[in-house]
Parts: sequence; structure tokens; C-alpha cells
Amino acid sequence: EDKVVQSPLSLVVHEGDTVTLNCSYEVTNFRSLLWYKQEKKAPTFLFMLTSSGIEKKSGRLSSILDKKELSSILNITATQTGDSAIYLCAVEASGGGADGLTFGKGTHLIIQP
Amino acid sequence: DAGITQSPRYKITETGRQVTLMCHQTWSHSYMFWYRQDLGHGLRLIYYSAAADITDKGEVPDGYVVSRSKTENFPLTLESATRSQTSVYFCASSAIRQGGKLFFGSGTQLSVL
Repeated sequence: EDKVVQSPLSLVVHEGDTVTLNCSYEVTNFRSLLWYKQEKKAPTFLFMLTSSGIEKKSGRLSSILDKKELSSILNITATQTGDSAIYLCAVEASGGGADGLTFGKGTHLIIQP
Repeated sequence: DAGITQSPRYKITETGRQVTLMCHQTWSHSYMFWYRQDLGHGLRLIYYSAAADITDKGEVPDGYVVSRSKTENFPLTLESATRSQTSVYFCASSAIRQGGKLFFGSGTQLSVL
């Protein structure tokens, strides 16, 4: 059974701080790892990391995939109150088995002004 | 507007009643998914569909029924609602089976009393 574990489950920091969110996974036939941001409603896509694209960056957010350690980190620098959200990590397997993504429980990030 | 819409946004029902949650997407995506989100569990896949008239079980299918007579619609039915089915339900779609990010609807918050 595929498994995704995120840590920490919750995190409170002050505006301007840098945060690192962790995601580890166990999956048969790993294909990709995805990060989503969930504010009040639907999760929205941030990054997809694969064997051919292990590092992604967008503004203050960046993510790295470590295939040897079966993990990924999501970094947010110079945090803002608008970064407050639940950050979800998900993995996708190739080959047989159910389609769709396997999600972790998420990290609830709170940015205090 | 193009996108993926769910209805209703909120639903309160009683145990034993049948409830149907609706999902409609305008992108003509082949793949559609139903997830439920619960505290302590994250997002879990209920059912998915690769195309019209093709559906398959996910991680937690018991107590749910789906159908997909048209590409754009993917309703989820709780045949006899139970309190354990109180949750937030998200519908999602994807253009391709793998390597494509999921687009989520805004969710339906269901309470079973």
C-alpha cells in the first residue's frame, strides 16, 4: 500500500520567517510527487517533481525531490500571512493499481503577523 | 465559466437517507475522481473514472456508488448515509491518466446526523 507521511502536521511561524515542510513516501513504481496548497476551499497545484525534474522554484516557494531518501521538502522563504494554508504532498505511481494520487495528511501552516 | 463545479456546497442529512453529490467539469477531461477529506486522514480516494461508463474503486469505496454516463458528470451517491460519512468531499479531474495535475472542485461539506 502506498504511503505518504508529512511533517510537521502543524507549524506556527512569524511573518518573514523561512519554513521547510517535509514529505516522505513509500510507493511501488514511483512516478511523481506533487505539492498542493489548500486554503479555505479546493487544493491548488504548486509543483510536480519527477526523476527528470527534481527541483522546482516559483517565487518564494521551492521544492526538491530526494529519490534516494524517498522524500521531498517544500521551502517557503520570507513568509507572508497569505501563505497560511494546509500544504498537501501527494505521490503518483506508474503501472497498475488505482489511478489518482495518494495524499499525506498535510501540514497546517500558520503565519502570524 | 470553464472549470469543475460541485453541488451542493453544504448538505445536512440523516442516517439512512440516500444522498447524491454532483460534480460537473467543462474541460472534457477523461479522468475524474472523488476524494473525502477528514481530520487525521487527509485526502482519501473513494472512486475514480477513466472515461464515460468506466469506473473503479479507490481506497475507501464502501457505502458509495458512482456513475459516469457522460464525460462531464461524475455523481457520487451515498446509498444509506452513516455518521462516519460526515466529511468534506472533493471532486477532481485530470486530462491524462498519469503525469497530469488534478484540478479540484470547491468541495461539498456533508454532515450526517
